[in-house]
Amino acid sequence: AQKVTQAQTEISVVEKEDVTLDCVYETRDTTYYLFWYKQPPSGELVFLIRRNSFDEQNEISGRYSWNFQKSTSSFNFTITASQVVDSAVYFCALSGDRDDKIIFGKGTRLHILP
Amino acid sequence: DAGVIQSPRHEVTEMGQEVTLRCKPISGHDYLFWYRQTMMRGLELLIYFNNNVPIDDSGMPEDRFSAKMPNASFSTLKIQPSEPRDSAVYFCASSLEFRGQVFFGNGTRLTVT
Repeated sequence: AQKVTQAQTEISVVEKEDVTLDCVYETRDTTYYLFWYKQPPSGELVFLIRRNSFDEQNEISGRYSWNFQKSTSSFNFTITASQVVDSAVYFCALSGDRDDKIIFGKGTRLHILP
Repeated sequence: DAGVIQSPRHEVTEMGQEVTLRCKPISGHDYLFWYRQTMMRGLELLIYFNNNVPIDDSGMPEDRFSAKMPNASFSTLKIQPSEPRDSAVYFCASSLEFRGQVFFGNGTRLTVT
């Protein structure tokens, strides 16, 4: 069975601090994809990144960075110099190669305090 | 492109009534997904279609729920009869490719009283 665990239910940090959101996944598939989505207070879900299981390079996009480690089945997301606009619920998700669906974690609610 | 379009944005109905949620996926996308989001259970996949054909409906809670995709540009999710525990935000989403980026609609907030 596939599973995504986001152990941090809620995190609060002060603006400009760095914050890391944890994601641990389980799958028996050898090929799989990992995703991060953002859900701001307005409610829509916004795609942030997709990573396949053969690409373990870390990725950086502006203040966002992702650390993929197959050895620990983790795909963590770091926001550097956080801003109030980063306040949202962040979802990690997994899709294996045996079917087309994406399984989401329960999400981490991030509060950036001014 | 207008993105995934869902209607209505909000629906309030009484227990026992039929509810129909509508979705127009992004043109050209072969995959369509229906998700439900609640505080207790998070985002749950209800059903998904590939080329208008239902592939996996194992997430549909019970027989009161049904989904159809009569053509590539339209899908419905129907609840009959509705119950208070069906209250949630229902998202429709579509994607172009296998395990590709999934684009979500703005959701329908359903309240069953």
